[in-house]
Amino acid sequence: DTEVTQTPKHLVMGMTNKKSLKCEQHMGHRAMYWYKQKAKKPPELMFVYSYEKLSINESVPSRFSPECPNSSLLNLHLHALQPEDSALYLCASAAGTSYEQYFGPGTRLTVT
Amino acid sequence: QQPVQSPQAVILREGEDAVINCSSSKALYSVHWYRQKHGEAPVFLMILLKGGEQKGHEKISASFNEKKQQSSLYLTASQLSYSGTYFCGTVLANDYKLSFGAGTTVTVRA
Repeated sequence: DTEVTQTPKHLVMGMTNKKSLKCEQHMGHRAMYWYKQKAKKPPELMFVYSYEKLSINESVPSRFSPECPNSSLLNLHLHALQPEDSALYLCASAAGTSYEQYFGPGTRLTVT
Repeated sequence: QQPVQSPQAVILREGEDAVINCSSSKALYSVHWYRQKHGEAPVFLMILLKGGEQKGHEKISASFNEKKQQSSLYLTASQLSYSGTYFCGTVLANDYKLSFGAGTTVTVRA
């Protein structure tokens, strides 16, 4: 089973809202990732968790706050976003940080 | 550091072959290849770890020239299902962050 699930599938939020994206995997993977993807662009790395610890933060604005409650779950808390934050947010997991990554279906976020 | 991918786009008829190239100016630990169809998530195709290594997945194969820091993805006897955007991702020798190339859009027509 190489499935990574993400909820919600679509999210529309105002600039003053607080919302969270959720990602789950049951493959026993120890590395989990958040990416942001704009239309016709490659995925852009935001955060990497390795063994439930944040190991990479790609200078992401503080209005994005990641959380890894356990080895299967990864959340991305959103607060006071800007319209330019509208994008597809992808979660991925891997057996380790040097291994192939498996992507979830993504959350399509629109900030109004 | 983002790898350089070429070509930007390719149009094929069913049964034709194509090559997608990916290169880096820095020493690589690994090269990953993914395919993303419109509105879907990227799907892992293969990973290459050693110089000169080749791998295959049905009629899609890839090579990695460690000396040149280059990888190529070969689409052989293309099928309609091969349409999509292909991304190479590279991991540097002293790092573990995956950086994606700009992507190559492949369109296979009947």
